[in-house]
Amino acid sequence: GENVEQHPSTLSVQEGDSAVIKCTYSDSASNYFPWYKQELGKGPQLIIDIRSNVGEKKDQRIAVTLNKTAKHFSLHITETQPEDSAVYFCAASVMGTGANNLFFGTGTRLTVIP
Amino acid sequence: EAGVAQSPRYKIIEKRQSVAFWCNPISGHATLYWYQQILGQGPKLLIQFQNNGVVDDSQLPKDRFSAERLKGVDSTLKIQPAKLEDSAVYLCASSLDGLASSYEQYFGPGTRLTVT
Repeated sequence: GENVEQHPSTLSVQEGDSAVIKCTYSDSASNYFPWYKQELGKGPQLIIDIRSNVGEKKDQRIAVTLNKTAKHFSLHITETQPEDSAVYFCAASVMGTGANNLFFGTGTRLTVIP
Repeated sequence: EAGVAQSPRYKIIEKRQSVAFWCNPISGHATLYWYQQILGQGPKLLIQFQNNGVVDDSQLPKDRFSAERLKGVDSTLKIQPAKLEDSAVYLCASSLDGLASSYEQYFGPGTRLTVT
């Protein structure tokens, strides 16, 4: 099955700096890569996703890049704000077959220091 | 638009007791998922429904876990009997149809289960 590794496990940045979280996956058939933000006591919230036919996607301060050859993808948050503090999860899945199991990484706890 | 609803939010039971969790997906979403999230880990899929049919239950411990979605809308996940290692947050998610047109899964707030 798919194995997703995520680094770092914790990340502290100063407000206004950038944060980068990296993930690798093992199944070359994976074609959908979402990122979720999880705040304490809440369910994961989808913040951005990318499909395998795209190399980069941006939404305001958040961007995701995908390198299919190397089987890794990254989340970039620019101009970080205290409200960005949360646990971030990457995930990978083979979509289009009907079974849409998301395989999650182990999470990155991001702390933005005011 | 209302999100995925789950209840209860918290549950504490003793081992060997039974427990049930309820989920109401986003209106119109045909696909419903149950995930288990152990503290410090990412969610892991237990079961996926497409309408009222099971698509994937390969990771569901069927000797103690069961789930149903009888009318293709609400779903119930049951554990009987519970073990200490079942302590986790149980997350429900839904997506529009699970096919190529809609991959996005939206999660509910989860039910935190503590087994003592």
